[in-house]
Amino acid sequence: DTEVTQTPKHLVMGMTNKKSLKCEQHMGHRAMYWYKQKAKKPPELMFVYSYEKLSINESVPSRFSPECPNSSLLNLHLHALQPEDSALYLCASSRSGGGANVLTFGAGSRLTVL
Amino acid sequence: KQEVTQIPAALSVPEGENLVLNCSFTDSAIYNLQWFRQDPGKGLTSLLLIQSSQREQTSGRLNASLDKSSGRSTLYIAASQPGDSATYLCAVSYRNTGNQFYFGTGTSLTVIP
Repeated sequence: DTEVTQTPKHLVMGMTNKKSLKCEQHMGHRAMYWYKQKAKKPPELMFVYSYEKLSINESVPSRFSPECPNSSLLNLHLHALQPEDSALYLCASSRSGGGANVLTFGAGSRLTVL
Repeated sequence: KQEVTQIPAALSVPEGENLVLNCSFTDSAIYNLQWFRQDPGKGLTSLLLIQSSQREQTSGRLNASLDKSSGRSTLYIAASQPGDSATYLCAVSYRNTGNQFYFGTGTSLTVIP
């Protein structure tokens, strides 16, 4: 298995909703990432988990809450989002941290906040 | 903040042409550099990874080079095909920034049949 699987592919939510994005990989990778990408812009790093511990939080608002229950799974919990949070949310993984390895990306979850 | 620049922002070529995409970075102390391809509304696919100790990597019709001293990487695509049409992004990691990959602004490539 050489894939990173993200669900759902599309999500529409209101500003008062609570929802979650899910990311899964079975490649034995020990670093997992959340990126946010707006249209025609490069991906922006949000969070990095290394060996199931949060190692980087790029000053992301608290309405985004990451969780890494085990080495294969990464969640992004969403609450009280704003319309400007609408974007493509990308999950990625790499064999280990430290920026030495290939990043493998999922297909993304397209989020629309009404 | 680390800056990664890609020029041109957009490129249109006829099928069969060879082409070069550019990636510039401000800090020569890189760990590795990766080139990605992204189709509209999709995730990123890794094309090539160049470690800091390497000068180039090749995969099929793709060749990526790295010149740390000048802060530049190029992605050479030989005999372009319409299926190569996509946005190409480079990403740089540094030894002193842990797991952080800095992405360039991307080059949108259109190969005209």
